[in-house]
Amino acid sequence: TQLLEQSPQFLSIQEGENLTVYCNSSSVFSSLQWYRQEPGEGPVLLVTVVTGGEVKKLKRLTFQFGDARKDSSLHITAAQPGDTGLYLCAGDRGTYKYIFGTGTRLKVLA
Amino acid sequence: NAGVTQTPEFQVLKTGQSMTLQCAQDMNHEYMSWYRQDPGMGLRLIHYSVGAGITDQGEVPNGYNVSRSTTEDFPLRLLSAAPSQTSVYFCASTFTAGSGELFFGEGSRLTVL
Repeated sequence: TQLLEQSPQFLSIQEGENLTVYCNSSSVFSSLQWYRQEPGEGPVLLVTVVTGGEVKKLKRLTFQFGDARKDSSLHITAAQPGDTGLYLCAGDRGTYKYIFGTGTRLKVLA
Repeated sequence: NAGVTQTPEFQVLKTGQSMTLQCAQDMNHEYMSWYRQDPGMGLRLIHYSVGAGITDQGEVPNGYNVSRSTTEDFPLRLLSAAPSQTSVYFCASTFTAGSGELFFGEGSRLTVL
């Protein structure tokens, strides 16, 4: 059983569309991170959120941490082909274990 | 900057063989960890270490051993490989556990026949 569930699992959209990816859990996390992974490479950190209700923006990407620190979302505005990749959320419960979500594979078509 | 270095990049084993996946980092990170990545399951934590001489189990530790004799190195050993261990393995490190950024290696792709 995965501690962090992501949805959707796959997403294929046209360039210019908006999308939201969700990361949900029944457990509380002291912090939550989002990574992006490209084929043949390791994941790379996009953002870390640590406060319930926190919203962070990174250009066209908006990240939100739920008030109860059990869930998070990633919203991409006007998606571009360069956004294509595997998006992974990862949570730390303060136990030195970084737990990753199931992943959302995004494909943005030109 | 080398960062996190994993070797080998690719490996094919027969069932029952043993091998060690190597991981080294040159960033003086205290925390190191091993993950396996399988389709549709994201990354699953195998073992982790918060410093030299200290290791602990993650979500899927069975069939794998680790040791941490130095800050720089964190090898992962498969004592008797099984087809279920066919996967892509990633090593990751960060300065201290918590909300620190995990830095990943390029991955080791293992096939067990």
